[in-house]
Amino acid sequence: GAGVSQSPSNKVTEKGKDVELRCDPISGHTALYWYRQSLGQGLEFLIYFQGNSAPDKSGLPSDRFSAERTGGSVSTLTIQRTQQEDSAVYLCASSLDLAGGVEQFFGPGTRLTVL
Amino acid sequence: GENVEQHPSTLSVQEGDSAVIKCTYSDSASNYFPWYKQELGKGPQLIIDIRSNVGEKKDQRIAVTLNKTAKHFSLHITETQPEDSAVYFCAASSTSYGKLTFGQGTILTVHP
Repeated sequence: GAGVSQSPSNKVTEKGKDVELRCDPISGHTALYWYRQSLGQGLEFLIYFQGNSAPDKSGLPSDRFSAERTGGSVSTLTIQRTQQEDSAVYLCASSLDLAGGVEQFFGPGTRLTVL
Repeated sequence: GENVEQHPSTLSVQEGDSAVIKCTYSDSASNYFPWYKQELGKGPQLIIDIRSNVGEKKDQRIAVTLNKTAKHFSLHITETQPEDSAVYFCAASSTSYGKLTFGQGTILTVHP
């Protein structure tokens, strides 16, 4: 079946512009996570969705970052007034269960470059 | 919060040798420890995981060991093959909803 999909695969933007990154989780997966991977670094947690609500937004680095999820499915991560330090690969993952300790399936990521 | 340290950052082995990657974690409440493999241009893919009520788990050429007392866990790959070359990440979770804290990654290169 289809895995987690993300779009666009690559995004180049100018400093100060807003960007939207999209994640389509695996159908039926109730939990959705966003992570950020900077060059040569591990993955950094950004936000967790349970259905349409986000009980944990603790990883969002600033108020320029926001995310929403609609219909318990598609999620959008928005970065306003992008800065060069926002350049990274943004990864989305989903899992079947609300409880921890179950596999998170990752999408291929969106590579964001801020010039 | 949780902190995960991973070593080594790079590992080079000959085909057929074994590879070992080690991670330590800080939060004694962590109870789920997955290992992910990431190939170039792709998202991470789970290769094996272990829960805190188990000391060791094996899946063909891959094994993971967990020492809760020392708060460390390790990935063992035997009979390595060139297609094992990738970046490997360990992670730990102490939350009820699976928020993962990742190590910095290990670049494994298997030479034919």
